[in-house]
Amino acid sequence: DGGITQSPKYLFRKEGQNVTLSCEQNLNHDAMYWYRQDPGQGLRLIYYSQIVNDFQKGDIAEGYSVSREKKESFPLTVTSAQKNPTAFYLCASSARQETYGYTFGSGTRLTVV
Amino acid sequence: DAKTTQPPSMDCAEGRAANLPCNHSTISGNEYVYWYRQIHSQGPQYIIHGLKNNETNEMASLIITEDRKSSTLILPHATLRDTAVYYCIVRQIEGGSQGNLIFGKGTKLSVKP
Repeated sequence: DGGITQSPKYLFRKEGQNVTLSCEQNLNHDAMYWYRQDPGQGLRLIYYSQIVNDFQKGDIAEGYSVSREKKESFPLTVTSAQKNPTAFYLCASSARQETYGYTFGSGTRLTVV
Repeated sequence: DAKTTQPPSMDCAEGRAANLPCNHSTISGNEYVYWYRQIHSQGPQYIIHGLKNNETNEMASLIITEDRKSSTLILPHATLRDTAVYYCIVRQIEGGSQGNLIFGKGTKLSVKP
């Protein structure tokens, strides 16, 4: 079945360490997105990529980095520069010409200990 | 920032219709209204979208006012599994370009037995 997979589901990190969250899709979608969600809040856009080897900052990109070397993959690195990284991270994808919106993964819950 | 206003919470009795309102008074002519929902600790799920006309699918109906400044999502026979946070989003679509989805805090719908 086609879909979008995020791993791991739960992740613990020590302060000062970088950590990379995985996002893979087999939907042949051109665009991919990373959102952050804090308790009781909506989703905020971190980074997005409309095409391979290209990506743009969203509203809260500071302390995060991404790469888009393959169409299927859009990993997010949470760096030590991110002051408050504990959150629920969601990855999504969409076809370039679509109008039906995004397909979301099931999320990764990151906790800094 | 999100361009929509929704009540923070609503209750609905199981089996009854759930009517979720959304105000988008600054909507532009090329902006669509999208609805997503998010069940606790999962990724958001697409429900429905529309531009001017009312829309219906297997999940819900979307009623958009004639001036397009507000809309209502209707779940005709709510079940306990419809308990979720519902997000109303306006999104620009023009030609081959789609705007990013910007999520507000949504409405937490609680369906009660």
